[in-house]
Amino acid sequence: QKEVEQNSGPLSVPEGAIASLNCTYSDRGSQSFFWYRQYSGKSPELIMFIYSNGDKEDGRFTAQLNKASQYVSLLIRDSQPSDSATYLCAGNSGGSNYKLTFGKGTLLTVNP
Amino acid sequence: EAGVAQSPRYKIIEKRQSVAFWCNPISGHATLYWYQQILGQGPKLLIQFQNNGVVDDSQLPKDRFSAERLKGVDSTLKIQPAKLEDSAVYLCASSPGTANQPQHFGDGTRLSIL
Repeated sequence: QKEVEQNSGPLSVPEGAIASLNCTYSDRGSQSFFWYRQYSGKSPELIMFIYSNGDKEDGRFTAQLNKASQYVSLLIRDSQPSDSATYLCAGNSGGSNYKLTFGKGTLLTVNP
Repeated sequence: EAGVAQSPRYKIIEKRQSVAFWCNPISGHATLYWYQQILGQGPKLLIQFQNNGVVDDSQLPKDRFSAERLKGVDSTLKIQPAKLEDSAVYLCASSPGTANQPQHFGDGTRLSIL
C-alpha cells in the first residue's frame, strides 16, 4: 500500500512566524510531489510542486524534497491569518498514469 | 483559462436512491480524475480516465459506482444505490496527462445521504 503521511496537526502559529508542514512517503518510485491548500468547504488549490531534490521557492512558500529520506516539506514564511487552511501533500506514483496519493492533510491556524 | 466545472454543487438524497455528478475538465486536458473526500481525510482516487479510456478504477466500488467519459471530454459519475457511507465531497480534477504536471480541481459536489 503506497502511503503519504503528514504530521498530524493541528498546527497553530502566530502571525508572522514560519509554519512548517511535513510529509513522508512510502513509494520510492514517486517522482513528484504537490502541495495543495484547502479552505474549509472548498476544493484543493495547488500551491506548488517539486520533483527535484532540494528547495524550491515561490514567494513566501518553500518546498523541500529529500528523496533519500522520502521526505517532503512546505515552509510558509511570514504566515498570515489567510494562510489558515488544511494543507494536503500528494505524491505522484511512478509509471505512466501519474496517479496522486494524498495524505490526510494538516490543519494550520495562523493566529493574529 | 476556464477551470474544471462540476455540477451540482450540493445534493441530498435518501439511501438506496441514485445520483449522478457531471464534470467538464479544463480544455485540452487528456486526463480526468474522480475523487471521494470524506470529512477530515485527503481525497481518495475513485477512477482515472486518459482521454475516454479507464486507466485506474481499482478503488471504485463497482457494485454501486459507475463512471464514463464519452468522447474524451465530459464525464459523469453515478452512484446506484447510495449508502450512508457515500456521504462525502466528490471532486473532479484534470491534468494534461504528462509527467510532473499538476491536477486542477473543480469545486466539488457535496453529497449527503439521509
